[in-house]
Amino acid sequence: EAQVTQNPRYLITVTGKKLTVTCSQNMNHEYMSWYRQDPGLGLRQIYYSMNVEVTDKGDVPEGYKVSRKEKRNFPLILESPSPNQTSLYFCASSKQLTSGGIPQYFGPGTRLLVL
Amino acid sequence: KQEVTQIPAALSVPEGENLVLNCSFTDSAIYNLQWFRQDPGKGLTSLLLIQSSQREQTSGRLNASLDKSSGRSTLYIAASQPGDSATYLCAVGLTGGGNKLTFGTGTQLKVEL
Repeated sequence: EAQVTQNPRYLITVTGKKLTVTCSQNMNHEYMSWYRQDPGLGLRQIYYSMNVEVTDKGDVPEGYKVSRKEKRNFPLILESPSPNQTSLYFCASSKQLTSGGIPQYFGPGTRLLVL
Repeated sequence: KQEVTQIPAALSVPEGENLVLNCSFTDSAIYNLQWFRQDPGKGLTSLLLIQSSQREQTSGRLNASLDKSSGRSTLYIAASQPGDSATYLCAVGLTGGGNKLTFGTGTQLKVEL
């Protein structure tokens, strides 16, 4: 089954304790990205990757890191989490955009609470 | 900067009613527009994707239209059912923006028995 998986699904942590949220896709997609969703603000892009070893900042990258060492995986790293990073996080993937007909697939989300 | 607006923010309708959700965007240079459904505790499910060259797409009881010149899209749901209750999001892909999607804040739909 084609899917994007994220782990963990729920996470409670404390300020300053490094954490990693994993994202994996089994569709051989080149493009992967991370979004965060906050009430009243919609989904906003954090980072994206066009292919292995190619990453770039989205609209709200501060406080986050990513890596793309393998095509299927795109982990999101919070080196020193703060309470304003409490949010619902989504990973997404798609084939590289060659026409307007390329849909994006989203993972189930990771709900993060930073105390 | 592309801005996407969805109206209304919330909607409650009786079962069986036909309804329309609205999405507007400020930059007409779009690559595509995608409608998603979001259920509590679950991810986003893609419902329909309309390419910039298309006017509408249909899937079952759902029909999405796109009017680039006016910066508007509508999602029409026919004969609504309680199982349609969810938050509906529209997202726009910009020409030259790569695969990035700009999302609206969604319409929370409740279909009552």
